Amino acid sequence: DAMVIQNPRYQVTQFGKPVTLSCSQTLNHNVMYWYQQKSSQAPKLLFHYYDKDFNNEADTPDNFQSRRPNTSFCFLDIRSPGLGDAAMYLCATSVAQETQYFGPGTRLLVL
Amino acid sequence: DQQVKQNSPSLSVQEGRISILNCDYTNSMFDYFLWYKKYPAEGPTFLISISSIKDKNEDGRFTVFLNKSAKHLSLHIVPSQPGDSAVYFCAARDKSGSARQLTFGSGTQLTVLP
Repeated sequence: DAMVIQNPRYQVTQFGKPVTLSCSQTLNHNVMYWYQQKSSQAPKLLFHYYDKDFNNEADTPDNFQSRRPNTSFCFLDIRSPGLGDAAMYLCATSVAQETQYFGPGTRLLVL
Repeated sequence: DQQVKQNSPSLSVQEGRISILNCDYTNSMFDYFLWYKKYPAEGPTFLISISSIKDKNEDGRFTVFLNKSAKHLSLHIVPSQPGDSAVYFCAARDKSGSARQLTFGSGTQLTVLP
């Protein structure tokens, strides 16, 4: 089945220790997104790749970076996680501006 | 400033009855609206959508209504089933700019009681 896969599902890191979350897709969609969702809040878009073009949201902290080495994979790098970065991180994909399809998410815990 | 609002954080409905989830928006540039369902520890799953040129879209037990003048949309689930218990997010797409990002509401927890 075509799908969006996120690894790991749960990630524990230490305050200030860099962490990388990964997303892969078998849908062959050209757009990939990263969202941050905190408890009882709406998912918040951090950035997205439209093909190879990176688009950062204006209020995304510099602490968050992303890489997309190929169509299928996209990574979220958090350079120095703080306690406030503990959240669910959702990856989504779409064909151009059509419906977005989400992965299961990675829950990040910062100790 | 929340551009998409779901004012009811929770809703409980008896099995077999109708569930109505509401969503209000403020941005007149939104041209496409979607509903996602989210179970605990899973990502949101696309449920149904509606374009701003329509006022109703139906898919099985799920119907979305759009009232552009009131900037309001609603999701009707008939009949409701216990498996429908989840958090429902309303999302809207902005037709301006190249990103066409989705703006999400904060969600409504639906509980369908057996």
